[in-house]
Amino acid sequence: GENVEQHPSTLSVQEGDSAVIKCTYSDSASNYFPWYKQELGKGPQLIIDIRSNVGEKKDQRIAVTLNKTAKHFSLHITETQPEDSAVYFCAASTVRTGRRALTFGSGTRLQVQP
Amino acid sequence: GAGVSQTPSNKVTEKGKYVELRCDPISGHTALYWYRQSLGQGPEFLIYFQGTGAADDSGLPNDRFFAVRPEGSVSTLKIQRTERGDSAVYLCASSPDPRDRVYNEQFFGPGTRLTVL
Repeated sequence: GENVEQHPSTLSVQEGDSAVIKCTYSDSASNYFPWYKQELGKGPQLIIDIRSNVGEKKDQRIAVTLNKTAKHFSLHITETQPEDSAVYFCAASTVRTGRRALTFGSGTRLQVQP
Repeated sequence: GAGVSQTPSNKVTEKGKYVELRCDPISGHTALYWYRQSLGQGPEFLIYFQGTGAADDSGLPNDRFFAVRPEGSVSTLKIQRTERGDSAVYLCASSPDPRDRVYNEQFFGPGTRLTVL
């Protein structure tokens, strides 16, 4: 089955700096890669996703890149703000075989220092 | 509009007891998923419903775990003979009909924190 590895496990940046979180996946059939933000005591919130037919996607201060050849994808947050502090999860899935399960990475705790 | 809701938000039970966890998906979403999240880990898939039927239950850890969705909307996750290792946050997610879509956005509820003493 799919295996998703995520790093770093913790990341501390100064307000205004950029943050980058990286993930690798194992199943070449995976074609959908969402990123979730989880605040303490809450469920994961979908913040951006990328599909296998796209190499890069941007939404305001957040961007995601995908390299299918190398089987890795990354989340980039620019101009970080204290409210960006949370745990971020990457995930991967494929719908080709009819399975819809997301396989998640182990998470990155981002702390933005004011 | 309303998101995915889960009840109760917290559940404390004793080892060996039976528990039920409820999920109300986003209105109109035909797909519903259950995940389990242990402390410091990412969510792990348990089961996926398309309508009333369980399309994929490959993530259920053993036969103590069972889930239903009798009318294709609300779902209940049932755990028999609970064990301390079942303690985790149980998350529910829903999607628009995936059969109409190539990709699979899933929207999560706040979760139920289950503690087995």
